[in-house]
Amino acid sequence: GENVEQHPSTLSVQEGDSAVIKCTYSDSASNYFPWYKQELGKGPQLIIDIRSNVGEKKDQRIAVTLNKTAKHFSLHITETQPEDSAVYFCAATPGSGYSTLTFGKGTMLLVSP
Amino acid sequence: GAVVSQHPSWVICKSGTSVKIECRSLDFQATTMFWYRQFPKQSLMLMATSNEGSKATYEQGVEKDKFLINHASLTLSTLTVTSAHPEDSSFYICSARDPQGQETQYFGPGTRLLVL
Repeated sequence: GENVEQHPSTLSVQEGDSAVIKCTYSDSASNYFPWYKQELGKGPQLIIDIRSNVGEKKDQRIAVTLNKTAKHFSLHITETQPEDSAVYFCAATPGSGYSTLTFGKGTMLLVSP
Repeated sequence: GAVVSQHPSWVICKSGTSVKIECRSLDFQATTMFWYRQFPKQSLMLMATSNEGSKATYEQGVEKDKFLINHASLTLSTLTVTSAHPEDSSFYICSARDPQGQETQYFGPGTRLLVL
């Protein structure tokens, strides 16, 4: 089955800095890679996703890059703000219609003012 | 769009009682919903996949008779924790897959269960 590794487990940055979270996956059949943000006591919120036919996707301060050859994808947050502080999860799935998401273990991002 | 709700948001119950958690897709029809369990500072653990009109598919190690799942309509799935014990205390989160969004899953706000 799929295995997703996520690094780092914790990340502390100063407000305004950039933050990068990296994930690797094992199943070459995976073709859909979402990123979720989870604030304390809440459910995960989809913030961006990418499919295997695209190498990069951007949405304002958030971007995701995908390298299918190396089987890794990354989340990039620019101009971080304190409200970006949360736990971020990456996930992967083959997306065959009934397939499930395999999640990374999460990265706790702390943005200090 | 793509809003998923859960009810209740938190529940405290006595050991031995059963607790039902509802998951609703508010603005789309979801043929497939998922139930996850999350322990503090850990990732999401998939418990089961709930398909409308058919039996749920449980992940290995999840007791079917302990965690009853019903997906009676395209907008509602329920998880019943039967004969709850303190070790069942956890954060339970559902998600719904939007058929328009292919594999995209939208999560509910979660239900905090505390069994005394």
